[in-house]
Amino acid sequence: DAGVTQSPTHLIKTRGQQVTLRCSPKSGHDTVSWYQQALGQGPQFIFQYYEEEERQRGNFPDRFSGHQFPNYSSELNVNALLLGDSALYLCASSSDVRGEIPYNEQFFGPGTRLTVL
Amino acid sequence: DQQVKQNSPSLSVQEGRISILNCDYTNSMFDYFLWYKKYPAEGPTFLISISSIKDKNEDGRFTVFLNKSAKHLSLHIVPSQPGDSAVYFCAASENSGYALNFGKGTSLLVTP
Repeated sequence: DAGVTQSPTHLIKTRGQQVTLRCSPKSGHDTVSWYQQALGQGPQFIFQYYEEEERQRGNFPDRFSGHQFPNYSSELNVNALLLGDSALYLCASSSDVRGEIPYNEQFFGPGTRLTVL
Repeated sequence: DQQVKQNSPSLSVQEGRISILNCDYTNSMFDYFLWYKKYPAEGPTFLISISSIKDKNEDGRFTVFLNKSAKHLSLHIVPSQPGDSAVYFCAASENSGYALNFGKGTSLLVTP
């Protein structure tokens, strides 16, 4: 059973460029969240997708956008890259369970290391 | 603003002893708390969680304690093993399955 997969592993871009990162959730999961982890910091929530809609968004500018496909996979797009966007981008998947079991852990992929020069 | 704080950047413990990692939070709306472990070049791995209706949850060598009045939680690892050496992140959310708010992490080193 494959866990969360992300591509590419590493990416180098220059300022002003655009980047697309991809994520496939763990089998059986329908919810995808994206996080940014800067060096020496904990992951910071960017947004979460469920049923192909952005369900919740963190404190990130509109340059960060996303998409979820019918097969639950997801993309993170960042436009007009800044040096400060250099970070590890983590995708996490979970199952949106309704009912008696309200809590679900998020399972993380290995991340995409983005370097902006 | 950092709503989840891990004030100890690092901790060193001898193998076989207890490791205690601490976490404080400021948002009283948090109702679900998790601990993740992260090795270099890997994503965080879920360890253990606790909901705000409990004050303790155990899973093998790992126990999480929650003190809601103090807005404090801790992770106990007994006995500690060298393979436990990793960065440990505390996380919290207001509604399960939505945004996780992470601390900056504590680097645990377990020495033989």
